[in-house]
Amino acid sequence: GENVEQHPSTLSVQEGDSAVIKCTYSDSASNYFPWYKQELGKRPQLIIDIRSNVGEKKDQRIAVTLNKTAKHFSLHITETQPEDSAVYFCAGAGGATNKLIFGTGTLLAVQP
Amino acid sequence: NAGVTQTPKFRILKIGQSMTLQCAQDMNHNYMYWYRQDPGMGLKLIYYSVGAGITDKGEVPNGYNVSRSTTEDFPLRLELAAPSQTSVYFCASSRVDLGQAHFGNGTRLTVT
Repeated sequence: GENVEQHPSTLSVQEGDSAVIKCTYSDSASNYFPWYKQELGKRPQLIIDIRSNVGEKKDQRIAVTLNKTAKHFSLHITETQPEDSAVYFCAGAGGATNKLIFGTGTLLAVQP
Repeated sequence: NAGVTQTPKFRILKIGQSMTLQCAQDMNHNYMYWYRQDPGMGLKLIYYSVGAGITDKGEVPNGYNVSRSTTEDFPLRLELAAPSQTSVYFCASSRVDLGQAHFGNGTRLTVT
């Protein structure tokens, strides 16, 4: 079945620096890759997503890139701010089962 | 438009008791999911449904059951609760064509 791996598990950056989180997936039929942000004690919230027919998508300071050949995708946050501190999850879906499977999460800490 | 509503918010169960976690969405979404999130961990898929009358197992289905008699509701049943089922349970829903899953606020369950 689908497996999504995520690295790193923790990431600390200085305010204003960039942060990159990487994920790989196992099911080559997967075609939808969302990213979620979860603040402490809150529900996960979608911040950006990408489909397999697109290589890159950007929304202000957040961008996601997808390499279908290598089966990996990445989240890029530029000009990080303290309010970006949270746990970020990648996920993959599609193929025969349409399951939405999550990575293990990355705890991002932005130091002011 | 309430989105995804989960009840109860908190519950304490004794070992061996049973309960049903309720989930309802008012967005006419086809897909619905149940996840569990253990402390400091990621989201594990328990069961999912692609439409009324159709359910399928996720990554960690043992000890749980679901039903989907209507598009709006997707209850999760715990039979013979065990301490290992202590977790936060999230329900989510999405449209089949968009894939953007919306989460409820979660149910925090403790089994003692």
